[in-house]
Amino acid sequence: QQQVKQSPQSLIVQKGGISIINCAYENTAFDYFPWYQQFPGKGPALLIAIRPDVSEKKEGRFTISFNKSAKQFSLHIMDSQPGDSATYFCAAKDSSASKIIFGSGTRLSIRP
Amino acid sequence: DTGVSQNPRHKITKRGQNVTFRCDPISEHNRLYWYRQTLGQGPEFLTYFQNEAQLEKSRLLSDRFSAERPKGSFSTLEIQRTEQGDSAMYLCASSLASTNTEAFFGQGTRLTVV
Repeated sequence: QQQVKQSPQSLIVQKGGISIINCAYENTAFDYFPWYQQFPGKGPALLIAIRPDVSEKKEGRFTISFNKSAKQFSLHIMDSQPGDSATYFCAAKDSSASKIIFGSGTRLSIRP
Repeated sequence: DTGVSQNPRHKITKRGQNVTFRCDPISEHNRLYWYRQTLGQGPEFLTYFQNEAQLEKSRLLSDRFSAERPKGSFSTLEIQRTEQGDSAMYLCASSLASTNTEAFFGQGTRLTVV
């Protein structure tokens, strides 16, 4: 059972454009939703995270939009740059549990 | 470097051999996690420790896998009688139990079973 569904699988965006990655979750007990960025040969690195008591969180060019009723959340990367080319994973966690559940990832390529 | 450290970075082994990986977490972190990541997929939880106690194991962790964290500091993950299906990136992460949120990942150990 895939608890966190992520789309698209891959995404190509022109430099300066907006990259949008979507995720949906099943478990209403999830209360922490991080996004991780992973470069080839490296471990995932936390990019930005949100809790369901807010509908949006922005850090620099990265914004998470959260829709609790729809059980969906998305990552928006504004003014996308070639250095943003990486694989992005959405994830979810239940604070009463310990493990983070990851989506299947989106490979993002930014064309110069 | 005060991040999560994993060794070795790469391991090639013959099917049937045993392998052991090491993870050194961020020094003040009392939680340590092991994940497995196959190509094109997100990391999958294997097990986690709080201090030296192994508190949860995934069904993915067959009896050929064993993890230890003897003194609540570094951890080892051993795979016995490796199979080709064990080929993956093995990731270690650590966090503070008090925050119960952010986990920091190491760079992983890539295992290839030939």
